[in-house]
Order: sequence, then structure tokens, then C-alpha cells
Amino acid sequence: DTEVTQTPKHLVMGMTNKKSLKCEQHMGHRAMYWYKQKAKKPPELMFVYSYEKLSINESVPSRFSPECPNSSLLNLHLHALQPEDSALYLCASSRDSLNEKLFFGSGTQLSVL
Amino acid sequence: DQQVKQNSPSLSVQEGRISILNCDYTNSMFDYFLWYKKYPAEGPTFLISISSIKDKNEDGRFTVFLNKSAKHLSLHIVPSQPGDSAVYFCAAVSTGTASKLTFGTGTRLQVTL
Repeated sequence: DTEVTQTPKHLVMGMTNKKSLKCEQHMGHRAMYWYKQKAKKPPELMFVYSYEKLSINESVPSRFSPECPNSSLLNLHLHALQPEDSALYLCASSRDSLNEKLFFGSGTQLSVL
Repeated sequence: DQQVKQNSPSLSVQEGRISILNCDYTNSMFDYFLWYKKYPAEGPTFLISISSIKDKNEDGRFTVFLNKSAKHLSLHIVPSQPGDSAVYFCAAVSTGTASKLTFGTGTRLQVTL
């Protein structure tokens, strides 16, 4: 199983809503990532979890709150988002945080109204 | 400041011919480079990588060349097939640190019949 599964695939939310993005992998990977990708732009790193601990936060606003309940799951909690936060949110995993080969999920296309 | 650049946003190649995708980087600390392929509505998929101790790595129809002095790498696809039509991202990282891949802006390859 070399899949990273993300749900939901699409999400539309208002600026006052609270929602969560979910990511799951069963490859035994110990590093998991959240990336954000705007149209016609490269993916940009948001967070890195290594062995279930947050190791990198790329100065992401607090309206994005990551959570790693266990080694297979990664969540991204969203609250009070802005329309400019609309983007494709990609989850990825790798064997460990020093392994550069990332496996990506299909992403959640988020629209904030 | 874009540390990894793909100056050609798009490329069209006839089936059976060679596709050459280019990537330039500015950060001399980068020592590991990857190419990812992305289809619409899917996450990026790892294609091929190269360490800075090499100048060439080959995997089937895909070959990556690295010119460290020019801070330039290229991906060659021979022969090109219609299924290769996708967006290709170059990515770079400085090994030994947490996997903070820096992606290029992507090149959309269209392989025509």
C-alpha cells in the first residue's frame, strides 16, 4: 500500500466555519507533511511532523492548526479562514524526516467564501 | 525569492520524440534533487532523483542530468508518450536537515500524437 489518502476531496466553507482536513497513510512512514498549493504555483510547505511531533511550522497563521493523533493520521483544523486561503491542500509522508522522497495524497481543494 | 526555477511554463512534444524539461536553482546548499509529475486532481508523484555527487541518473525512459557548476538540472524523457502529459515539478533539498523540499513552478508537458 503506497497510498496517502486525503478527505474530503473538496470543501467549501464560510469564514466563520470550523472544519478539518484528514490524511492517512499505512506505509509505516514516520514523517508527515502539509503543503499548500495555489493555482499555477509550486507546493509550499506548511508543517512537518516527525515521529508524531511537530518539527517544522513555516510561520503558518494560527487559523491553521495541525494535529497528529498517531503515526498514521494527520489532521489540519481550519477556523476563521480568509478567502485567500482557498487552495489545494496536500498531505505527504516519507519514511522519516531525513528522507526526501515524499508520497503525496490527491489533496483537498478548499474554497473559502 | 524563487530558489528553484522552471523557466518554461509549458512544452509541447510529439509522441516518440525526446522531451527535455529544465530547472535552475540558486541555493548552493541544495544537494539532492527530485522530479515529480502531477496529473490534474491528483497529488504529485515521485519520478526520479539525483544526488549532487552524481551528474546523471537513469530510470527507464527517464534520465536526469545535473550540472552543479551551472546550478542546472534537466529531465529527459525518451521516447515521449501521451501518458507523459502532465505538470512536472523540479524540487531541491539540502540533505541532513528536515525534508524541506523547495519546488519549482512547474512545466506543463503536452505530448501530442
